[in-house]
Order: sequence, then C-alpha cells, then structure tokens
Amino acid sequence: AQTVTQSQPEMSVQEAETVTLSCTYDTSESDYYLFWYKQPPSRQMILVIRQEAYKQQNATENRFSVNFQKAAKSFSLKISDSQLGDAAMYFCALGGVFGAGTILRVKS
Amino acid sequence: DAGITQSPRHKVTETGTPVTLRCHQTENHRYMYWYRQDPGHGLRLIHYSYGVKDTDKGEVSDGYSVSRSKTEDFLLTLESATSSQTSVYFCAISERDHEQYFGPGTRLTVT
Repeated sequence: AQTVTQSQPEMSVQEAETVTLSCTYDTSESDYYLFWYKQPPSRQMILVIRQEAYKQQNATENRFSVNFQKAAKSFSLKISDSQLGDAAMYFCALGGVFGAGTILRVKS
Repeated sequence: DAGITQSPRHKVTETGTPVTLRCHQTENHRYMYWYRQDPGHGLRLIHYSYGVKDTDKGEVSDGYSVSRSKTEDFLLTLESATSSQTSVYFCAISERDHEQYFGPGTRLTVT
C-alpha cells in the first residue's frame, strides 16, 4: 500500500521569508508522480507543483520548488519570499494518496 | 480552471435517509474520484472510476456506492446516511497518474 506522511501539522513563516514543508512517502512502484496541493480557506484544491519520479531534476514553479530525494522517499516543498496569500493548508500527494496536510500561517 | 461542478454544494439530511451527490465534468478525463475530507485525515479516497461503468473501491468505501453511466458524470450515493458521514466531499478528475483537478466540494451534514 502507498502511504504519505506529513509530520508538521502546522507551520508559521514571516512574510518575505522562506519556509519548507516536509513530506515522506512509501511506495513499491519505481515510476510515479508526486504533487503538492494548496487549499486556501475557500476550500478549493489547487495544484502547486508536480514531480515525476523518473526525473532527477527538482521541479520549480516561480516561488515554489521541491527537494525530491527518491532514495529517501522524501518530497519537501520550499516556498520562497512568502506572501500573505500563501496561507493555506498544503497537501502532499502520491498519485491519489494524500497526506494529512500542513497548515501554513504567514505573519505580516 | 478545469470544468468540474458538484451538486448540491451544501446538504443537511437526517440519519437513515439516502443521499446522492453528483459530479459533472466537461474535460473528458477518463478518471474520476470521490474523496472525503475530515480534520486530521486529509483527503481519503472513497471510490474511483477509470471509465464508464468501471469503478473500484478506495480506502473508506463502506456505506457508499458509486455509478458512472456517462463519461461526464460520477454519482456518489450514501445508501443510509449516518452521522459519521458528515464531511466535506470532493470530486476530482485526472488522466492516469497525472495531477487531479478538484471540484468545489459538497458540505454534507447528517443529523
């Protein structure tokens, strides 16, 4: 069975600073996709970034980047220059298996 | 935004009544999913579909059934609603192994 673990229920960051959200996973597959989704208070789930396991290069989308460590089964999300609009619940996902989420608070 | 709608958006029902939630897509994606979201649990998969009339169970399928008679529609039925099924329900669509696009969610309260 595939599992996803997010060990940080809640994180805080000062506006304009950098924060890293952690995620570990387990799978017996060799080829798979990993995702980070954002859920703001509106409840709408929004894709932040995706990583294909066969690609060694870490994915980047503007201020969002990942640190993908395949051997360690780790997939962390780094948010640079944090903005108030980044405040949300963030979910790590392995295909359709989701972690419990991390609430990110951004302080002005 | 992907064309996914859910109906109803909010529903209050009584214990023991049947409830059907509808998910409709205009993207012609093959895969459709139903999740429930509860505090501390993230999103848990109830059922999914990989084509018309092709469905399979997810992690928390007990008490739920689904049907997919058309590519664009995926129905979730609570056969006899219980208070433990009070939750927010999300529909999602995708192509195989790719990112999922989510509907706006349905808040269901069972009293």
